[in-house]
Amino acid sequence: AQSVTQPDIHITVSEGASLELRCNYSYGATPYLFWYVQSPGQGLQLLLKYFSGDTLVQGIKGFEAEFKRSQSSFNLRKPSVHWSDAAEYFCAVGTTSYDKVIFGPGTSLSVIP
Amino acid sequence: DADVTQTPRNRITKTGKRIMLECSQTKGHDRMYWYRQDPGLGLRLIYYSFDVKDINKGEISDGYSVSRQAQAKFSLSLESAIPNQTALYFCATSDPSGRGAGELFFGEGSRLTVL
Repeated sequence: AQSVTQPDIHITVSEGASLELRCNYSYGATPYLFWYVQSPGQGLQLLLKYFSGDTLVQGIKGFEAEFKRSQSSFNLRKPSVHWSDAAEYFCAVGTTSYDKVIFGPGTSLSVIP
Repeated sequence: DADVTQTPRNRITKTGKRIMLECSQTKGHDRMYWYRQDPGLGLRLIYYSFDVKDINKGEISDGYSVSRQAQAKFSLSLESAIPNQTALYFCATSDPSGRGAGELFFGEGSRLTVL
């Protein structure tokens, strides 16, 4: 069975600073990996996804993530954080048959002006 | 209008009551899902359905049941609600084909409080 860990429960960064959110997964085959963002009071929106090919994937809102098979990681990065990036971020892993997606516990991001 | 609509958005009920959360979608997707969100636990899969005749249990199905009335409608029921079912519930859809494969499209959530 697949699983996801996000070691950081909460992160605070200053506006304009760089950001890295960590994600580690467990899955016996090649994973399909996702990052979703949840703004306060909202549903979840897809930031980016990795299925195959280039291990560095670009997403919306200036986010990118790098898949590292040797480390079972899929960390999310942004070079310069904006106040509007304050939200909950979820890493998720899907199976090759797309039958279900399992989410990590989430990382809450606060941005200091 | 939202592509994935959940009703009610907020509900307060008492222990032992039967509750139904409804989800409808206009995306034309065959696959639909129910998740619950709890602080510090992320989203956990309750049930998922690939079509009207195909319903599967997720990670935490005990205490819940579902009904897929049509391609566009997927309801979640709590037959006898208990306080630890207090949570934010999300419905989601997906299309396994094409460039959007695997992406989940979420409703805005239904907040349920069981007293």
